[in-house]
Amino acid sequence: QVQMVESGGGVVQPGRSLRLSCEASGFTFSRYGMHWVRQAPGKGLEWVAVISYDGSDKFYADSVKGRITISRDNSKNTLSLQMSGLRPEDTAVYYCAKDTNLWSGSLDYWGQGTLVTVSS
Amino acid sequence: DIQMTQSPSSLSASVGDRVTITCRASQGISNTLAWFQQKPGKAPKSLIYAASTLQSGVPSRFSGSGSGTDFTLTITSLQPEDFATYFCQQYNSYPLTFGPGTKVDI
Repeated sequence: QVQMVESGGGVVQPGRSLRLSCEASGFTFSRYGMHWVRQAPGKGLEWVAVISYDGSDKFYADSVKGRITISRDNSKNTLSLQMSGLRPEDTAVYYCAKDTNLWSGSLDYWGQGTLVTVSS
Repeated sequence: DIQMTQSPSSLSASVGDRVTITCRASQGISNTLAWFQQKPGKAPKSLIYAASTLQSGVPSRFSGSGSGTDFTLTITSLQPEDFATYFCQQYNSYPLTFGPGTKVDI
């Protein structure tokens, strides 16, 4: 069955960096676009970034552009999110989500999420 | 960016009730609309895509309709496991955007 497991979250000071990972299984990872979506505590869902099936195309939300880099390693079925210059407003649960196609934006499976807390 | 709104923001219902949630896009998005269910502490679960197509394994008491700017999610005969928050999401264009959610409780 399709499964995604995020890791790498934790407590980090403002301005510091953090790298999140998402290990995927149960589907042909290299055929699908992948996304990061976040949810601040008690708030709604905010889309963060997408990467195409082969990593050639990436798109970011304005709120994170220039501070966050999405990448993937199809040989290891792994999606990553490198975050730098973290701000308190980046505090959220970060989910990786699978696209139903190359990068249509239709999301079908989500990981369980990893919590990032930005605080001094 | 396309803004998504939902109404109501919350509702109280009973087991067996019929529930309807509305989602509106700030501009036409054809049928590129999805619905998700989220329970506390859990990841969102996909219910419907392309406005009206049920994801595999989703009970038939869930249905979606609409096109353009106005969409609805209907749950016929609400079950105890349906008490959750529901989000709509447009994928007509990037950035992807979500509605603020509708909490369905007792």
